[in-house]
Amino acid sequence: KAGVTQTPRYLIKTRGQQVTLSCSPISGHRSVSWYQQTPGQGLQFLFEYFSETQRNKGNFPGRFSGRQFSNSRSEMNVSTLELGDSALYLCASSLVAGGVGQPQHFGDGTRLSIL
Amino acid sequence: QKEVEQNSGPLSVPEGAIASLNCTYSDRGSQSFFWYRQYSGKSPELIMFIYSNGDKEDGRFTAQLNKASQYVSLLIRDSQPSDSATYLCAVTKPDMRFGAGTRLTVKP
Repeated sequence: KAGVTQTPRYLIKTRGQQVTLSCSPISGHRSVSWYQQTPGQGLQFLFEYFSETQRNKGNFPGRFSGRQFSNSRSEMNVSTLELGDSALYLCASSLVAGGVGQPQHFGDGTRLSIL
Repeated sequence: QKEVEQNSGPLSVPEGAIASLNCTYSDRGSQSFFWYRQYSGKSPELIMFIYSNGDKEDGRFTAQLNKASQYVSLLIRDSQPSDSATYLCAVTKPDMRFGAGTRLTVKP
């Protein structure tokens, strides 16, 4: 069974640009969550999608947005990139949305560097 | 107060010893608790999850949950050098919130 697939693996952008990251969940998983990981802040929750609807959102500015398609694949978009957006962006999938006992399985992440 | 707190370490144990990793959380409504292992440069890998008070064992790993005291721990028996990694505690409320992680080093 294939795991969570994230593309691209590495990305270099400049300030002010925008970027779109993609995540394909494990087959049969309907929930997708996105996280930002930096050395200083650790793993921070961005948002969770289930059945094409955003269910939860973390404390990130509106420049960070996402969506989920009917096949459960998800995209995350960051507009007007800032230097501080340099991070590892991780996607995780689970069978159903949040709540009790839904282990999440992570992809390998997209390493975003802002110049 | 952070939602999920862990000692950052590093925690160093000799090979074959028991490694004990601790985590406290602030939200009494939290229902699910997870331990992830993350090797340097890799993504987090699920080790164990626990929902009910008490112990849950899986091979060399034991997760312990005490909801009254709001802590969850992970014991690694017979620690191996390959266990050297950062261990992340996560709590669902219902979205998943992570601690900063404890770096474990197992010395041969």
